[in-house]
Amino acid sequence: DQQVKQNSPSLSVQEGRISILNCDYTNSMFDYFLWYKKYPAEGPTFLISISSIKDKNEDGRFTVFLNKSAKHLSLHIVPSQPGDSAVYFCAASANFGNEKLTFGTGTRLTIIP
Amino acid sequence: NAGVMQNPRHLVRRRGQEARLRCSPMKGHSHVYWYRQLPEEGLKFMVYLQKENIIDESGMPKERFSAEFPKEGPSILRIQQVVRGDSAAYFCASSPGGIDTGELFFGEGSRLTVL
Repeated sequence: DQQVKQNSPSLSVQEGRISILNCDYTNSMFDYFLWYKKYPAEGPTFLISISSIKDKNEDGRFTVFLNKSAKHLSLHIVPSQPGDSAVYFCAASANFGNEKLTFGTGTRLTIIP
Repeated sequence: NAGVMQNPRHLVRRRGQEARLRCSPMKGHSHVYWYRQLPEEGLKFMVYLQKENIIDESGMPKERFSAEFPKEGPSILRIQQVVRGDSAAYFCASSPGGIDTGELFFGEGSRLTVL
């Protein structure tokens, strides 16, 4: 039972354009959402998060949007840079601040120079 | 300030042997989590520990797997009588606790290969 779904295994985007990564969830108890970035042979690193009381959170080139009614969130990266090429994992937790995270399967983003 | 340290980075075991994976959390962090990533899959929660206590082990297989976080020393994930299906990357993460951010700091992972 995949409670957090990333339906696009891979995405290629031209350098300088916008990258949009999507994530859907099924568990209504989730109230905190995070994006992690992972390079090969390394551990995931935290990128950005959003709580269910917000619908948008922005940090530099990264913006996360949350649509609770659709149980959908997305990560926007603009402008995309070659160093953004990595696997991006969406994660969710229930009971805000509970650090037990449920991860999606990841989307491999490739930025084309 | 050292990050989360995991060792070994790579471990090869034959079926039936034991695997021990170690994790030293970031300085000042008292909460440790273990996650497993099978090939082509996301990270799956296994166990959440604080010093000398297992808080949540709902993701641990019922047999052969155990975890501890002693008062002194690193956290240990132990897999007895390994099988080929145990081949995966095992990631440890830590957090300071008491701060409700949900953010975890991950180590670089230990990659277990069972022959």
